[in-house]
Amino acid sequence: DAKTTQPPSMDCAEGRAANLPCNHSTISGNEYVYWYRQIHSQGPQYIIHGLKNNETNEMASLIITEDRKSSTLILPHATLRDTAVYYCIVNLLMKTSYDKVIFGPGTSLSVIP
Amino acid sequence: EPEVTQTPSHQVTQMGQEVILRCVPISNHLYFYWYRQILGQKVEFLVSFYNNEISEKSEIFDDQFSVERPDGSNFTLKIRSTKLEDSAMYFCASRGTGDPLTEQPQHFGDGTRLSIL
Repeated sequence: DAKTTQPPSMDCAEGRAANLPCNHSTISGNEYVYWYRQIHSQGPQYIIHGLKNNETNEMASLIITEDRKSSTLILPHATLRDTAVYYCIVNLLMKTSYDKVIFGPGTSLSVIP
Repeated sequence: EPEVTQTPSHQVTQMGQEVILRCVPISNHLYFYWYRQILGQKVEFLVSFYNNEISEKSEIFDDQFSVERPDGSNFTLKIRSTKLEDSAMYFCASRGTGDPLTEQPQHFGDGTRLSIL
């Protein structure tokens, strides 16, 4: 599995966009980028995923560089409830049985009033 | 929105006792998983389960652990003889199948906190 590198922590002002970077320089052509988050005392929550195109859903946007070696998760208007640990994960297309999610330490995002 | 539910939310057990953690995956999902998170550490994969058999297991998942899908709705994790180091949050996850191009990610429950005394 490709490895990812994320900053250990970030702050963001409430109402502003939170941009969380992730480096995955050893990603291979068939590996997707997934983002999950874990709010304190809760289970990991899926946010978004993509292969090479930028993606957007009701929670966030995912921007993947053209060479696919890095990506950015964007929370457009951060709220206090977005305070969580955010995990960037690179996995093979999750269609096989062997698709465990390997969590790294992630980025601890603090949204500040 | 459908969700994965886990019971109990907190389980306290004496060392050496057996414990069963229960999960109800999302109803049309076919792939099931257990993870654990020791306090202050990363979430770790334990086991994946598909078509009534284990697909993959980590080195953590030794002979003291077993999983079962006893009926069409529940998915359980059993620890036969608990140890102090089994104290952790245990998360169940499930995933459906579908068009790989519109991929379905794993969905996690909110976990069972297992405390071994």
